[in-house]
Amino acid sequence: AQSVTQPDIHITVSEGASLELRCNYSYGATPYLFWYVQSPGQGLQLLLKYFSGDTLVQGIKGFEAEFKRSQSSFNLRKPSVHWSDAAEYFCAAAQGQAGTALIFGKGTTLSVSS
Amino acid sequence: GAVVSQHPSRVICKSGTSVKIECRSLDFQATTMFWYRQFPKQSLMLMATSNEGSKATYEQGVEKDKFLINHASLTLSTLTVTSAHPEDSSFYICSARDPDGINYGYTFGSGTRLTVV
Repeated sequence: AQSVTQPDIHITVSEGASLELRCNYSYGATPYLFWYVQSPGQGLQLLLKYFSGDTLVQGIKGFEAEFKRSQSSFNLRKPSVHWSDAAEYFCAAAQGQAGTALIFGKGTTLSVSS
Repeated sequence: GAVVSQHPSRVICKSGTSVKIECRSLDFQATTMFWYRQFPKQSLMLMATSNEGSKATYEQGVEKDKFLINHASLTLSTLTVTSAHPEDSSFYICSARDPDGINYGYTFGSGTRLTVV
């Protein structure tokens, strides 16, 4: 079955330190891949997406993600975390055909310590 | 860019009543819309896929008679929670894949916080 796995439930990072959030997918073919961020009580904001091409994708707020086919991974990174980055992060995937829904990982809660 | 408007943002209803949530695509036609439910501190779980002019496809474990989905036009899909109970209290989010989906991806509504008392 198609699935998205985020191995880390909760991560705490010091402000200014680098961040990497892990995401693995299980699909028959390479799906479209997304990272979203959600603040408490809010909707989803798209950080970045990967469809094809360059495997290093740049997003908003200084985030980037790298697609690695050999590892079925799409990890999110940020070189220097700000306190405002504390939120819930979701990795999601969808098969390429029109009309297929996004499947979400369980999410990773990011806390930022001062 | 593509915008999906979802209303209401918050609703409180009494147990046993029904609640309707609307999801509109404002500047594009959405052949397909998706409905998700998110319990506190959990991920988004796909409830159903709504296709314009046809019956919705529900995920396993989702009661189609309780969660009525109507997608009567290319810009409007509704989710009606019938005979709501406290365990239906949740955050409901709709999503649409816009027509240039390959390039623009998925657009989400801002969500509806349903509280059943």
